[in-house]
Amino acid sequence: GAGVSQSPRYKVAKRGQDVALRCDPISGHVSLFWYQQALGQGPEFLTYFQNEAQLDKSGLPSDRFFAERPEGSVSTLKIQRTQQEDSAVYLCASSPVPGLAEDTQYFGPGTRLTVL
Amino acid sequence: SQQGEEDPQALSIQEGENATMNCSYKTSINNLQWYRQNSGRGLVHLILIRSNEREKHSGRLRVTLDTSKKSSSLLITASRAADTASYFCATPRMDSSYKLIFGSGTRLLVRP
Repeated sequence: GAGVSQSPRYKVAKRGQDVALRCDPISGHVSLFWYQQALGQGPEFLTYFQNEAQLDKSGLPSDRFFAERPEGSVSTLKIQRTQQEDSAVYLCASSPVPGLAEDTQYFGPGTRLTVL
Repeated sequence: SQQGEEDPQALSIQEGENATMNCSYKTSINNLQWYRQNSGRGLVHLILIRSNEREKHSGRLRVTLDTSKKSSSLLITASRAADTASYFCATPRMDSSYKLIFGSGTRLLVRP
């Protein structure tokens, strides 16, 4: 079946613009995660959804970052008033069950955001 | 913050050789996972080893875990050019197990 998809794959924004990044998880997956990956680094956790409930947003860097999953499937990560330090690859992952330590997370290809 | 640190940061080998990557972590873990990331692609889960396991195999992959040293190693045998990728170790936090903490990765280049 289809994996996790993300769009757009690449986004260039001028500093101060708002951006919206979309994630389509694997159908039926309960858990959805967003990660931020800076160049040359490993991914860092941003936020976690279980169905439509955002259970953990402790990794969001600032209040300019906002994520939603209103119907428990597709999720959008929105960044307001983008800044250069927001430039990174944003990865979405999903897993079939509520987050457990041994769940395998299935990652999408990511959206590479460049803020000029 | 990064939980794991991979060593080496970069590794270049000839096709057919074995590649060994190491990961050290800081806190107690339930399990440790290894992921691969190809250029332009997302992360792919490779293997999970539980804290009560010492060694695990999957195809050409062999993972070891030493909880006393808080370290793990990933061995890829008979490497292929297609193994060229970045490899990351990741551990779930004990207090919020859905939250994977990744290391900084090892960039592996397999020369044909």
